[in-house]
Amino acid sequence: KNQVEQSPQSLIILEGKNCTLQCNYTVSPFSNLRWYKQDTGRGPVSLTIMTFSENTKSNGRYTATLDADTKQSSLHITASQLSDSASYICVVSAKAGTALIFGKGTTLSVSS
Amino acid sequence: ETGVTQTPRHLVMGMTNKKSLKCEQHLGHNAMYWYKQSAKKPLELMFVYNFKEQTENNSVPSRFSPECPNSSHLFLHLHTLQPEDSALYLCASSHDSSSGANVLTFGAGSRLTVL
Repeated sequence: KNQVEQSPQSLIILEGKNCTLQCNYTVSPFSNLRWYKQDTGRGPVSLTIMTFSENTKSNGRYTATLDADTKQSSLHITASQLSDSASYICVVSAKAGTALIFGKGTTLSVSS
Repeated sequence: ETGVTQTPRHLVMGMTNKKSLKCEQHLGHNAMYWYKQSAKKPLELMFVYNFKEQTENNSVPSRFSPECPNSSHLFLHLHTLQPEDSALYLCASSHDSSSGANVLTFGAGSRLTVL
């Protein structure tokens, strides 16, 4: 069964600190993996998209990594800001067809 | 704004009411989607339209009825809903739903409460 598991479910960090969010998936055959950020009361916004051959991709203070062998991805946030408080959703696309498999998300709270 | 506009942002309705959610995209995309987002659950795909043709109906109850008059507009007609249908309904668009690499652009969502 195609599944995407994210951890932790929620996280609280102090402003300025770094953090790493995890995503494990069992989707096969794999096409690509995306990370979305969803602010409260808004729709998800794409942060990164990575294919099988990409190991790392950065978007400002956000760096995503992908290990296709272990089927794991991480999203590292550097020097966190209050505006980073949001839900971060990992989404995996299967190669056959267009189905996107969504994780439940990690809720990040950055406090001052 | 993402280029995908949803109205209304909030809706409260009784189980016997009929209402509609509207979605409009100004991105020149050809595919539009309805997703349901409930607390503590992953986004659930409801419907997909590609070039105005419905390509996916993910076993959605008939009390939800989609309409896609053109590639820029998508509606979700609601009637005789149940309290468990209360959720955030997200509209999204992409260049072409047949491509596995297409990136979805989401609207801000319509928060629905069924009393």
